[in-house]
Amino acid sequence: NAGVTQTPKFQVLKTGQSMTLQCAQDMNHEYMSWYRQDPGMGLRLIHYSVGAGITDQGEVPNGYNVSRSTTEDFPLRLLSAAPSQTSVYFCASSPRQGRYGYTFGSGTRLTVV
Amino acid sequence: AQTVTQSQPEMSVQEAETVTLSCTYDTSESDYYLFWYKQPPSRQMILVIRQEAYKQQNATENRFSVNFQKAAKSFSLKISDSQLGDAAMYFCAYRVINTGTASKLTFGTGTRLQVTL
Repeated sequence: NAGVTQTPKFQVLKTGQSMTLQCAQDMNHEYMSWYRQDPGMGLRLIHYSVGAGITDQGEVPNGYNVSRSTTEDFPLRLLSAAPSQTSVYFCASSPRQGRYGYTFGSGTRLTVV
Repeated sequence: AQTVTQSQPEMSVQEAETVTLSCTYDTSESDYYLFWYKQPPSRQMILVIRQEAYKQQNATENRFSVNFQKAAKSFSLKISDSQLGDAAMYFCAYRVINTGTASKLTFGTGTRLQVTL
């Protein structure tokens, strides 16, 4: 059981480039989320999904797009990378029942130069 | 909006001693879940312990226990018999029970715990 798989683990982008962070889970979880982690700010919610075909914005959605065509996959797209998007990104998934918390991927360290 | 506050950016404890990490939260909901996550240098987010707000009994997981004070909206984590492997960033997190917003997990800013010999 792989859990939540994120790729890549590290990435360097130039300002203005676009890219997609991949996230897949094999636990049949309904809920999936993307967070970014910055020093002193904890984890902040970017986008989330409550099921295939349903997504919504979180706290810091600007500059990011998501889609959820299947239960398993929830990619995060950076449209035009900016230095302010330098961060560590986490994908997480959860069953509908809230008591289980979220299972996190291992994170992607993204640097935009 | 729900907020989670961790007022201790850094804490230090000697090996084998006990340390308590503080967390307060603000919510108008009556039913919710609270969590503590551990993030070691490997960056992996690890669930340490959870508490259901409707349960009066404080949760315990081996050396980890919580002091949940619902009226005060306080949720502290106690680590007993601290070990070198406990050194990590610890995050307090909150999640409502109602289905409509149950997908959101709100985090505090974290407390970095150092364990010394």
